[in-house]
Amino acid sequence: DGGITQSPKYLFRKEGQNVTLSCEQNLNHDAMYWYRQDPGQGLRLIYYSQIVNDFQKGDIAEGYSVSREKKESFPLTVTSAQKNPTAFYLCASSRGGAGIGETQYFGPGTRLLVL
Amino acid sequence: GESVGLHLPTLSVQEGDNSIINCAYSNSASDYFIWYKQESGKGPQFIIDIRSNMDKRQGQRVTVLLNKTVKHLSLQIAATQPGDSAVYFCAENGRSGGYNKLIFGAGTRLAVHP
Repeated sequence: DGGITQSPKYLFRKEGQNVTLSCEQNLNHDAMYWYRQDPGQGLRLIYYSQIVNDFQKGDIAEGYSVSREKKESFPLTVTSAQKNPTAFYLCASSRGGAGIGETQYFGPGTRLLVL
Repeated sequence: GESVGLHLPTLSVQEGDNSIINCAYSNSASDYFIWYKQESGKGPQFIIDIRSNMDKRQGQRVTVLLNKTVKHLSLQIAATQPGDSAVYFCAENGRSGGYNKLIFGAGTRLAVHP
């Protein structure tokens, strides 16, 4: 059963703590993305990766970090430098090879809440 | 600047009626558009896409219309069902911040009443 999985579904962060959100895909896609969604707003791009071992900052990368050591995995770390981390985080993937303005398929999301 | 926006933030329809959700885009160079459906607490789900060399594309119960003259995109849902209740948003392939990317609108909420 192909698709994108994200874990956990809910995540609680304490003040000053780093937390890592998991994203895995078995679609054999080259490109992967992380978005942040706030209530009543569209998706904002945090980071993207077009190929293994390479990633680029999106529009709101400050306070976040990523790695892309494997094709199927693109974890996102929300660092203590991110002062307003409460949001719904969405991971996506696409075939790649045509820039990143192509059809992206999304995971179920992780809701991050601050204690 | 570039933007993808929606004319109506909330649309209420009766079950069985047809729904039309609109989207305006500002980048005349965009050549690819996508409609997504997002149910509460879930990730966006791909519905249908269209390239700029087309005016219309049909799927199962859905049709997307593209009017490049006025930079307008619409999603038509035939015989709307309660399961269609969700937030719908369009995305365009645009160039921003020095790279091509999908630019997403804020979304329109579709509420289907029995």
